[in-house]
Amino acid sequence: KQEVTQIPAALSVPEGENLVLNCSFTDSAIYNLQWFRQDPGKGLTSLLLIQSSQREQTSGRLNASLDKSSGRSTLYIAASQPGDSATYLCAVKSVKEYGNKLVFGAGTILRVKS
Amino acid sequence: GAVVSQHPSRVICKSGTSVKIECRSLDFQATTMFWYRQFPKQSLMLMATSNEGSKATYEQGVEKDKFLINHASLTLSTLTVTSAHPEDSSFYICSAWGTDSSYEQYFGPGTRLTVT
Repeated sequence: KQEVTQIPAALSVPEGENLVLNCSFTDSAIYNLQWFRQDPGKGLTSLLLIQSSQREQTSGRLNASLDKSSGRSTLYIAASQPGDSATYLCAVKSVKEYGNKLVFGAGTILRVKS
Repeated sequence: GAVVSQHPSRVICKSGTSVKIECRSLDFQATTMFWYRQFPKQSLMLMATSNEGSKATYEQGVEKDKFLINHASLTLSTLTVTSAHPEDSSFYICSAWGTDSSYEQYFGPGTRLTVT
């Protein structure tokens, strides 16, 4: 059974700092990996989608990498801003899960202090 | 990207009543939709997978008679919480599987259910 772990559970950084969020998964048989952002009381905003054949994806100040063989992904946020404060969720679409459902990590709560 | 809407965004109901939540894919057809539940400060928990024209597949521990799912068209799935109780209060989020080859899932904005 696929399991997704995110480290750290919470992170507090001063504005302007570069930071890395980590995600690991136990089964490398995946279709893709997605990083989401969730603001309090809101739904999910998709940040980046990395297909299993890709190594990384970039969008603005965000860069996500994928090392499928080792079961790891990182989300790099450059020059963090207070508006980046949110919960960041990692999810994998696992080949072996029935219905190709997404398996989520518990999330990293990020706080960027001004 | 593809847009998924949910209605209502918030609902308050009395214990014992039923509540229906709608999930719509606005600009694409979704043969598969997913319903998630999220408790405060926790991650999303998949409740069921909804396939158009067939019965939903429920995750272990989810009562199918309590959480009725109907996916009658390629753009609409509904979740009905029957005989709601305070412990059913939660944030319910739906998502839809796009029809392109990316296997990307698109999420709705969520529905906050409060049962008094």
